[in-house]
Formats: sequence, structure tokens, C-alpha cells
Amino acid sequence: DTGVSQDPRHKITKRGQNVTFRCDPISEHNRLYWYRQTLGQGPEFLTYFQNEAQLEKSRLLSDRFSAERPKGSFSTLEIQRTEQGDSAMYLCASSIGQGNTEAFFGQGTRLTVV
Amino acid sequence: SQQGEEDPQALSIQEGENATMNCSYKTSINNLQWYRQNSGRGLVHLILIRSNEREKHSGRLRVTLDTSKKSSSLLITASRAADTASYFCATVFYNQGGKLIFGQGTELSVKP
Repeated sequence: DTGVSQDPRHKITKRGQNVTFRCDPISEHNRLYWYRQTLGQGPEFLTYFQNEAQLEKSRLLSDRFSAERPKGSFSTLEIQRTEQGDSAMYLCASSIGQGNTEAFFGQGTRLTVV
Repeated sequence: SQQGEEDPQALSIQEGENATMNCSYKTSINNLQWYRQNSGRGLVHLILIRSNEREKHSGRLRVTLDTSKKSSSLLITASRAADTASYFCATVFYNQGGKLIFGQGTELSVKP
């Protein structure tokens, strides 16, 4: 297993288009997180899953954002009707347990909305 | 906001010196974690310290936790140019479902 994998690594899209990102966690990890990070800032929590259950979605996140983890393995993050303010690095992380162990991060998907 | 607050925001030192970064938080935690992020790359976990622990070591890293002051420190001893990176504390707050919340980070520059 090579760690957390995210696809694509880079995405350029026009404003108003929908985009979907994929995250493949480490295989035995039951917890999966999504974060958004802009330049010079710390990762901003978006949502997280315990197996296939979405435990929480950030109140700061608009309804244009949705995430799924249908079989408790890979996860997708979709942004509908993208806006320029959505431009950021989207990070995925996974861990074993319920927040009491270290999280392993993927390399991220860099989204640019033009 | 529940996120940890880090201090300083930026730190510049010479190779061989020690670097200390601080993280403060507002509510009770289960654990606190430190991560490093090199420019343009993913985050790497450094140390996890649980609420009932006071100090942990890993190589040149030393983390302390003072739950009475709701603060933690990361000390890097004998710094190297390769330690240049952003360092983030992340907290798992008590009774919050175990989600991991990051601070804004400290940008460390180690000059050779």
C-alpha cells in the first residue's frame, strides 16, 4: 500500500462547472477526512467519515459541496457550480480508529477556477 | 473558532539553533498532534500527545502539553536547513466526535 492517493492532482475548470475529486485512503483505515487549504493558511476542515457514515459537514460549507464514501473505502468530493473562491488545495486524510491516532495525508488536488 | 492558535506565525533561525513553536486552544482535548508541511507538499505527522501525557520525544523533536494552560509546544533541537517548513498543531477536542482541527501554522525558516 502506497498511502493515501488523490486524483486528479490538478484541475482547472471554468466558473460554473461541476468538479469531482477522488480519494483512496490506506486500505485498513476506517476514518477519512476532507480539508481545504489556501496559501498561507492551515487546512480547513470540510467533512469526515467513519466507514461509510458521514459524521459531520462543516457549517461553513455551502450546499454546493457534497461528499460520499459509499462502501467505506474510497471517497469523492463534488463541488457544483464552482466559483473563483473555491480555488484551493483539497486534501484528503485517513486514519485508524476514532480520532485517537495519527492521520495520513494525500498529496492533494489543486483546483483552479477561472 | 475551536482551532488552535499558533505562535509565532513565522520564525527564522540559523542552522544549529533550537526552534520553539507554541499552540494554544480553548476547550478540552482528547489529543493534540503536530504536522509538518514542506512547500507544495502534503502534511506529514510528527507527534501525537494525549491529554493525560505531558511530554513526548521523537528524535530531535520534543512536544509538551499543559492542559491547565491549554497549550502545547514543539521544540526542534539543533535545527537543519531541511527543517524549513510550515508546522501545524491539530487538536481532537473532547466529545466532538474525534474530528481533527488544524491551526494556522508556524512558518519556520532555517538558514544554513
